[in-house]
Amino acid sequence: AQTVTQSQPEMSVQEAETVTLSCTYDTSESDYYLFWYKQPPSRQMILVIRQEAYKQQNATENRFSVNFQKAAKSFSLKISDSQLGDAAMYFCAYRSPPNSGNTPLVFGKGTRLSVIA
Amino acid sequence: EAGVAQSPRYKIIEKRQSVAFWCNPISGHATLYWYQQILGQGPKLLIQFQNNGVVDDSQLPKDRFSAERLKGVDSTLKIQPAKLEDSAVYLCASTSLWGTNGYTFGSGTRLTVV
Repeated sequence: AQTVTQSQPEMSVQEAETVTLSCTYDTSESDYYLFWYKQPPSRQMILVIRQEAYKQQNATENRFSVNFQKAAKSFSLKISDSQLGDAAMYFCAYRSPPNSGNTPLVFGKGTRLSVIA
Repeated sequence: EAGVAQSPRYKIIEKRQSVAFWCNPISGHATLYWYQQILGQGPKLLIQFQNNGVVDDSQLPKDRFSAERLKGVDSTLKIQPAKLEDSAVYLCASTSLWGTNGYTFGSGTRLTVV
């Protein structure tokens, strides 16, 4: 079974600075999807960024980018120019390829990010 | 498009009582998931539906938890009888058939068992 590990329970960053959240995963599959989700106090999971394993290029979405190292099974999230609204729980998630239909997301335990004004 | 709707938002019950949660996914989404998120942890899959059929319920404690999606649209998750360790947020998510654009989550129901 696939597992996702987030080794940083809590992180903090000064407003306007850059922070990197770590994620590693374990899988024997060669094709899969990786996601970062943000969960604010409202509890709704919000998709931040996604990466297909077959793509070597790292995904970027405005201030959010990933460093995807397939051989190392590492998928870190970099947040640039941090804003107060970025404060939330961040979850790394893995999904097997939908070869025969949809597969569920497997989540890490999360990293709580605080942004200091 | 409307998001994934869940109700109630909060629920407090005594142990051994029963409780039910409701989820209405995004229109047209064939796949529906129920996740349990215990405080301080990531969400854990309880059950996956494809239309009105169960795809995976291997992690559902079937002695006390049940779920249904009779018409392949909205879904109900029930706990009977509840235990203290069932205190958690119950998240519902849905996705289209191939789900390559990710999953849409509801705001969850926070259950407290006292």
